[in-house]
Amino acid sequence: DTEVTQTPKHLVMGMTNKKSLKCEQHMGHRAMYWYKQKAKKPPELMFVYSYEKLSINESVPSRFSPECPNSSLLNLHLHALQPEDSALYLCASSQDGPGWDEQYFGPGTRLTVT
Amino acid sequence: KQEVTQIPAALSVPEGENLVLNCSFTDSAIYNLQWFRQDPGKGLTSLLLIQSSQREQTSGRLNASLDKSSGRSTLYIAASQPGDSATYLCAVKGETSGSRLTFGEGTQLTVNP
Repeated sequence: DTEVTQTPKHLVMGMTNKKSLKCEQHMGHRAMYWYKQKAKKPPELMFVYSYEKLSINESVPSRFSPECPNSSLLNLHLHALQPEDSALYLCASSQDGPGWDEQYFGPGTRLTVT
Repeated sequence: KQEVTQIPAALSVPEGENLVLNCSFTDSAIYNLQWFRQDPGKGLTSLLLIQSSQREQTSGRLNASLDKSSGRSTLYIAASQPGDSATYLCAVKGETSGSRLTFGEGTQLTVNP
């Protein structure tokens, strides 16, 4: 099963709200990723977790807070977002092998900040 | 810094036509190259992964080739169908980029019935 699931599918939040995005995979992958994608642009990497430890933070503002509770789950906590943060948020996972592993993406969460 | 370019940016073809999508990259020190498909508002679906030591990979009507030394990859789609309409993205994983993928801007494909 090469499936990555994400919830919710859609999220509308105000600038003062706190919400969380969730991602889950059961492929035994040890690397998990958060990407942000704006319309008609490729995904932009935000965070990478490797073996449940944060290994890459691409200088993402602190209003985005990732969390990896276990090897199958990845959360993205959102607080005090701006309208320009509206985008499709994608989660992905991979084996985190010696460089040749394939990334599998989830369906995404469409986030709208009002 | 790795740069990935996809040509053309958009392509419209009649159903049944064979077509080629192009991807070029500036740094040949890569582990692999991955082709993805993305439908509007959806996630990315992995189509093919080519390791740096491989020349091509095939899956059904899709064939991807890799010429690492010249920094080029092509995705060949045989007998195109309206259901193939989507944006196709290529991404490379560089030897010095850790877990990062560098994406091209994509080719938006429309197959007309």
